[in-house]
Amino acid sequence: QQQVKQSPQSLIVQKGGISIINCAYENTAFDYFPWYQQFPGKGPALLIAIRPDVSEKKEGRFTISFNKSAKQFSLHIMDSQPGDSATYFCAASKIRNQFYFGTGTSLTVIP
Amino acid sequence: GAVVSQHPSWVICKSGTSVKIECRSLDFQATTMFWYRQFPKQSLMLMATSNEGSKATYEQGVEKDKFLINHASLTLSTLTVTSAHPEDSSFYICSAGPSGNPDTQYFGPGTRLTVL
Repeated sequence: QQQVKQSPQSLIVQKGGISIINCAYENTAFDYFPWYQQFPGKGPALLIAIRPDVSEKKEGRFTISFNKSAKQFSLHIMDSQPGDSATYFCAASKIRNQFYFGTGTSLTVIP
Repeated sequence: GAVVSQHPSWVICKSGTSVKIECRSLDFQATTMFWYRQFPKQSLMLMATSNEGSKATYEQGVEKDKFLINHASLTLSTLTVTSAHPEDSSFYICSAGPSGNPDTQYFGPGTRLTVL
């Protein structure tokens, strides 16, 4: 059972454009929502994270928008660069730091 | 930042043999570590939670007798794939977080297992 649903599966964006990836969850016990970036053959690396008491968090070019009532959250990458080309995973966790990952989005930024 | 290492980074073994993968937290102590499995172009699936000094907790559908987990110290957890078969071929990733910081998880670089 997929605890966190992620879309789109793949995304192609022009350099300088905005990349948007969406996630949805069902379990209201989740209280921490991180986004991870993964390059081929490497482990995931934390990009940015948010808690449900905040509706938006921005770090540099990366912004998380969180809608608690809709149980949805999204990642926005502003001014997308070719170096941002990677697979992005949203995740959710509750107690014991167990992370449930979305299915991943393969982002390609075209120069 | 905190670093989690895994060893080996890749391993090829024959069907029927056992393979041990190590996960180490290099600059912090972790009472809990997590093991994930990732198939090509798919998401990470949580396999088990490794608890220092006690038995691991396995996710539904994961065979505990096949995937042996030992958390011998606050900086080391091992995953042993016993009697490996080709369908066990996958990318295995561990994660760990500082004991005093429940939200932060650092992921290892992963271990690519290929069973012939």
